[in-house]
Amino acid sequence: NAGVMQNPRHLVRRRGQEARLRCSPMKGHSHVYWYRQLPEEGLKFMVYLQKENIIDESGMPKERFSAEFPKEGPSILRIQQVVRGDSAAYFCASSPIQNRGVMNTEAFFGQGTRLTVV
Amino acid sequence: DAKTTQPNSMESNEEEPVHLPCNHSTISGTDYIHWYRQLPSQGPEYVIHGLTSNVNNRMASLAIAEDRKSSTLILHRATLRDAAVYYCILRRNNAGNMLTFGGGTRLMVKP
Repeated sequence: NAGVMQNPRHLVRRRGQEARLRCSPMKGHSHVYWYRQLPEEGLKFMVYLQKENIIDESGMPKERFSAEFPKEGPSILRIQQVVRGDSAAYFCASSPIQNRGVMNTEAFFGQGTRLTVV
Repeated sequence: DAKTTQPNSMESNEEEPVHLPCNHSTISGTDYIHWYRQLPSQGPEYVIHGLTSNVNNRMASLAIAEDRKSSTLILHRATLRDAAVYYCILRRNNAGNMLTFGGGTRLMVKP
């Protein structure tokens, strides 16, 4: 059972370009979370998605950032018109759902995508 | 969300036990105590979690105070590979609650 797969591992974009980060959750997991980690800082929650639904996007910047988790295929975090301040490691995590919707199980993280904006 | 407090950093010698403390005085009855760690240049990794009783697994032990206002992650024999940032997180027992990471404790292991 492959773990959470993120690609690309490293992404370089010029200011103003678009960045698309992909996350394939573990098999059987229908919950995906995106986190951002700025250099030398902690992980900050961005968005929580289930298949075809955004459940909580309270940590997502209001402009330029969007996320989706389609019925088929990976979850995508999209950053439009990137700026230098977007340079960070972006981590995706997935969780299964337990009986009766209880979520207190472990989350599995990918190795992250390191975005560098030049 | 209830908050956790951890020391910024700790040092340990290789092969010795390590006790990583965490205070969570505003914990609620439905909050589970989770521990994750992040090795350099890697994604976070689950370590252990519990609610009221002490827990053991192959990686570590979790000792939870009787009033649940604090907990301690115990690594029984630290190795150089255990050098990481350790995060103590409270996770509410309802559907879909995300993990909220604080600053964590940076554990340094000396050979």
